[in-house]
Amino acid sequence: QLQLQESGPGLVKPSETLALTCTVSGASVSSRSYYWGWLRQPPGKGLEWIGSIYYSATTDSASTDYNPSLKSRVTISVDTSKNQFSLRLDSVTAADTAVYYCAGGVGATPPLYWGQGTLVTVSS
Amino acid sequence: QSVLTQSPSVSGTPGQRVTISCSDGSSSIGRNTVSWYQQLPGTAPKLLIYRNSQRPSGVPDRFSGSKSATSASLAISGLQSEDEADYYCAAWDDSLHGPVFGGGTKLTVL
Repeated sequence: QLQLQESGPGLVKPSETLALTCTVSGASVSSRSYYWGWLRQPPGKGLEWIGSIYYSATTDSASTDYNPSLKSRVTISVDTSKNQFSLRLDSVTAADTAVYYCAGGVGATPPLYWGQGTLVTVSS
Repeated sequence: QSVLTQSPSVSGTPGQRVTISCSDGSSSIGRNTVSWYQQLPGTAPKLLIYRNSQRPSGVPDRFSGSKSATSASLAISGLQSEDEADYYCAAWDDSLHGPVFGGGTKLTVL
């Protein structure tokens, strides 16, 4: 059973960096079968894709895709030794306040597996 | 503004059948498969339907999905009070290299 769990600070100051980690169990983050991604949901609003990381069948390195609306501020990375992947979002504002979810999926399909989510509030 | 369009709300009485629709202005549905998620208040989205009509293990067969060229539908039969939740459709967007979502439909069981 593939499971994901987010962790990280629940409060971030404006202009600082939001950093979250997702711990994966039941699969390897370096598996070529899955992509690993981050999504968010502002209070009372819908779901937004932030970006993903994956290992292609032809290379040994990880590749990333980011939502163009956030691309200049987002970095997603992977730590295979800990079976984790991480999100960094720079220069946050109150508009970045949201529940952040990590997720996993296969191929070009929406996520199959979701973490429970973690609320991150941007406030001084 | 969401890429996929859903009606904001739908309602039904216990035992009734309701349908939630999802339409596409950018051809994501036409080119790729659709998933549906149920989100109860304060919880993470739960996968209900993937690949247009497949149910994960544990999802009751009261939930069914279908897709046409540019739209998709989620049907819930034998409506129960615990079905009251927000429902989201999603499809892969080839230009985004990621999923796009509908704005969500709030189901009220009267």
